Amino acid sequence: DTGVSQDPRHKITKRGQNVTFRCDPISEHNRLYWYRQTLGQGPEFLTYFQNEAQLEKSRLLSDRFSAERPKGSFSTLEIQRTEQGDSAMYLCASSLGFGRTGAFFGQGTRLTVV
Amino acid sequence: GQQLNQSPQSMFIQEGEDVSMNCTSSSIFNTWLWYKQDPGEGPVLLIALYKAGELTSNGRLTAQFGITRKDSFLNISASIPSDVGIYFCAGLSGNTGKLIFGQGTTLQVKP
Repeated sequence: DTGVSQDPRHKITKRGQNVTFRCDPISEHNRLYWYRQTLGQGPEFLTYFQNEAQLEKSRLLSDRFSAERPKGSFSTLEIQRTEQGDSAMYLCASSLGFGRTGAFFGQGTRLTVV
Repeated sequence: GQQLNQSPQSMFIQEGEDVSMNCTSSSIFNTWLWYKQDPGEGPVLLIALYKAGELTSNGRLTAQFGITRKDSFLNISASIPSDVGIYFCAGLSGNTGKLIFGQGTTLQVKP
């Protein structure tokens, strides 16, 4: 499978716990993006990487959120001290260059904070 | 921040009918993209548009890039049950690759 892969697909956690999601982009893609999607809304940009460098972070990304992309390959998104408002679908996408031909999305990780 | 407005918000149509939905923005975009999302899945790219006035087809789907670069529309001809899902427009922001999404149009098709 050469698509974008995300793990886990679903995560239920108790409020206050830390969670980490993983994204494996399409192998030749140098850009990797994280988006968050709540029910009834379109995806909202969180952050993106070009290779291993994190180049932009949205103001939606509070200091409880951290993302890494070591060696410019897979990426992780960690949420510390989760809150109920963090419940959402977290989507990863990748593109070659700045994605003028479109970014390709993974299946997402559905986070539920109880 | 930037926002895209999609209309209609939802549509319920009969199989075989044609569908039209559109997307408007307060900002200019140089690239417009249309995605489809099924429940519990990530968005799948349908069509990408690069030039003002451009009309592009992908099977039964046709999309146009508005000449003002602030709008786009998507048509689906002869709808079938598997067209059910949420359709999103997205504008490509600058050279970052960041996508600005609309809030989606939910399509339901009655067999």
